[in-house]
Amino acid sequence: AQKITQTQPGMFVQEKEAVTLDCTYDTSDPSYGLFWYKQPSSGEMIFLIYQGSYDQQNATEGRYSLNFQKARKSANLVISASQLGDSAMYFCAMREGEDSSYKLIFGSGTRLLVRP
Amino acid sequence: NAGVTQTPKFQVLKTGQSMTLQCAQDMNHEYMSWYRQDPGMGLRLIHYSVGAGITDQGEVPNGYNVSRSTTEDFPLRLLSAAPSQTSVYFCASSYSTVTEAFFGQGTRLTVV
Repeated sequence: AQKITQTQPGMFVQEKEAVTLDCTYDTSDPSYGLFWYKQPSSGEMIFLIYQGSYDQQNATEGRYSLNFQKARKSANLVISASQLGDSAMYFCAMREGEDSSYKLIFGSGTRLLVRP
Repeated sequence: NAGVTQTPKFQVLKTGQSMTLQCAQDMNHEYMSWYRQDPGMGLRLIHYSVGAGITDQGEVPNGYNVSRSTTEDFPLRLLSAAPSQTSVYFCASSYSTVTEAFFGQGTRLTVV
C-alpha cells in the first residue's frame, strides 16, 4: 500500500491566487513527521515546511501553510498568493517512528504551473 | 558553508562498470541518506546512516553499497552498473529526525 499519496499529477493556478496541493498518508505509528519539498526545473530539493504528528497547530512558513487533518490522515500544502517562481514539482514526504533512523518516504509529486 | 556537496554532477557508465558517488556535508549532521529519483516518481531511499560506522538499507538497496567512516562523508558505490540504475541520485543530511533534510544538487547517472 502507498504510504504517501499525491493524487494530483499536475495543477494550474493563476498568479496571486491560493492553491492547495493534496497529500494523504498511511501509518499506524503514533509518532511521525510530514514534510513538503519543492523541486524546481533546476532539480534541487528545497525544504518548505514540517508538521509533527503531535503538533497542536498547523505549521506555517511565510506563504506556505500545512492543513493537517490527523483523523483524515491528510497534510495538504496551501500556497497563498502564488508567484511565477512557485512553478515546480512539489513532494510530500513522511518519516515514521521515534527511532533513531531518518527514512523519508516520498509521494510521486504534483507539478504546479502558475499562470501569469 | 557549502551544505551537502555531491560529485560528480553527471556520469555515463557502461554496463558492468563500477563507480562511487561522493557525498560530503559540513554541517556536522549525524543523519545521512541516499535517494534515487526516476521520471514521474518521487525519491526512493537506497541506504541511510545514523552516524559514523552505522548504515542500513532503505527501500531499494540492491546493487549499491555504502560506508560511513566519518561524520562528513557518505559515499555510494555501484558495484556493477546496470541500465536499471539510470537515475538521478540525491544525497541528504539532517541534524535530527524532526528537522528537515538538506539535499545535495543531485547526480545524473546514465548507464548504457
